[in-house]
Amino acid sequence: QSVLTQPASVSGSPGQSITISCIGTSSDIGRYNYVSWYQQHPGRAPKLIIYDVTNRPSGVSNRLSGSKSGNTASLTISGLQAEDEADYYCSSYTTRSTVVFGGGTKLTVL
Amino acid sequence: EVQLVESGGGLVQPGGSLRLSCAASGFSFSSYWMHWVRQAPGKGLVWVSRINTDGSTTAYGDSVRGRFSISRDNAKNTLFLQMNNLRAEDTAVYYCGRQLIGIAEDYWGQGTLVTVSS
Repeated sequence: QSVLTQPASVSGSPGQSITISCIGTSSDIGRYNYVSWYQQHPGRAPKLIIYDVTNRPSGVSNRLSGSKSGNTASLTISGLQAEDEADYYCSSYTTRSTVVFGGGTKLTVL
Repeated sequence: EVQLVESGGGLVQPGGSLRLSCAASGFSFSSYWMHWVRQAPGKGLVWVSRINTDGSTTAYGDSVRGRFSISRDNAKNTLFLQMNNLRAEDTAVYYCGRQLIGIAEDYWGQGTLVTVSS
């Protein structure tokens, strides 16, 4: 099963901005605007933070934003805070009518 | 309040079977597509399966297709995952999730641990 490609780790200082990339193919990210992002803190269930590429669920901070260009989706977190330290996962619908996740990115707030 | 509570996990030998359940409350269960996602210890999320509102349409990840079966009982607000011919690599926490729109899951359960070992 294909996996979307994410960097294993990213880091930033409080107040800074970071971007996490999610590289797919023309059979998933490049084909549909069904890209989601999840935040997961240790020992907790994932939390939806972005859906359909750019949309934030109610209650999610506007410091988080999503975008897509070609086969690559991106999550940007601005004004980094300590509470943002977590694992982040992207996911996409595919032409096989399945869903695929990225390998995950560990965000460290320095 | 939306709640999803998984159960049915445990220790099973390779080649064995297990049936997971996900009890839903706080929303109109029959109106939502549902998913199963798993996470091996220390590893990332892996999509397992999803089912439409009336159970007529299902889909599976490559690693479980032909061995796992998703179903639902809308009268009992419960989602199921029947897992057969289990392998060591199926060891993971299994989460059920409610599909908000597209493929996004807006509510998740706390997960249930499945351990496949002799």
